[in-house]
Amino acid sequence: QVQLVESGGGVVQPGRSLRLSCAASGFTFSTYVMHWVRQAPGKGLEWVSVISYDGSNKNYADSVKGRFAISRDSSKNTVYLQMSSLGAEDTAIYYCAKDNTPSQSWQQAFDSWGQGTLVTVSS
Amino acid sequence: DIQMTQSPSSLSASVGDRVTITCRASQGISNYLAWYQQKPGKVPKLLIHSASTLQSGVPSRFSGSGSGTDFTLTISSLQPEDVATYYCQKYNSAPFTFGPGTKVDIK
Repeated sequence: QVQLVESGGGVVQPGRSLRLSCAASGFTFSTYVMHWVRQAPGKGLEWVSVISYDGSNKNYADSVKGRFAISRDSSKNTVYLQMSSLGAEDTAIYYCAKDNTPSQSWQQAFDSWGQGTLVTVSS
Repeated sequence: DIQMTQSPSSLSASVGDRVTITCRASQGISNYLAWYQQKPGKVPKLLIHSASTLQSGVPSRFSGSGSGTDFTLTISSLQPEDVATYYCQKYNSAPFTFGPGTKVDIK
């Protein structure tokens, strides 16, 4: 069965960096678009970033553009989110999610989500 | 960017009631619309994609309709296990914006 397991969260000081990982299993990772979505405490869902199946295309929410970088390693079945210049507004649970079907485009709903990893930005 | 709105923001209904949630996109998105259910403390779950296609394993009391800018999620007979927040999401192109959510509970 599909499993997505995020790691790398924790407490980080404002202005510092953090790298999140999402280890995937149970599907052919190299054929799926992958996303990061976050949810601030008590708030709604905010899409953060997407990476194409082969890593050649990426996109970001305006709120993180220039500060976050998404990448993937198909040899490790893992997608990453490198976060820098973190601020209090980045405090959230970060989920990775996969597209519903394998595709070269990213016009799919998100059918599987990890359990999330909590990032707290605080001095 | 296309904005997504939902109404109502919350509702309270009795078990067995028919519940309807509305989602509106600020520009047309064809049928690239998904609905997710998030129960308290849990991970979001895909209910419906392509505006009206029920995801495998989702109870048939859930249904979706709409195209273009106006969409609805209907629960035909509300059950206690349906207490959750429901989000719509556009996925025709990035950014893959979610609606603000509709919180559903039992009266």
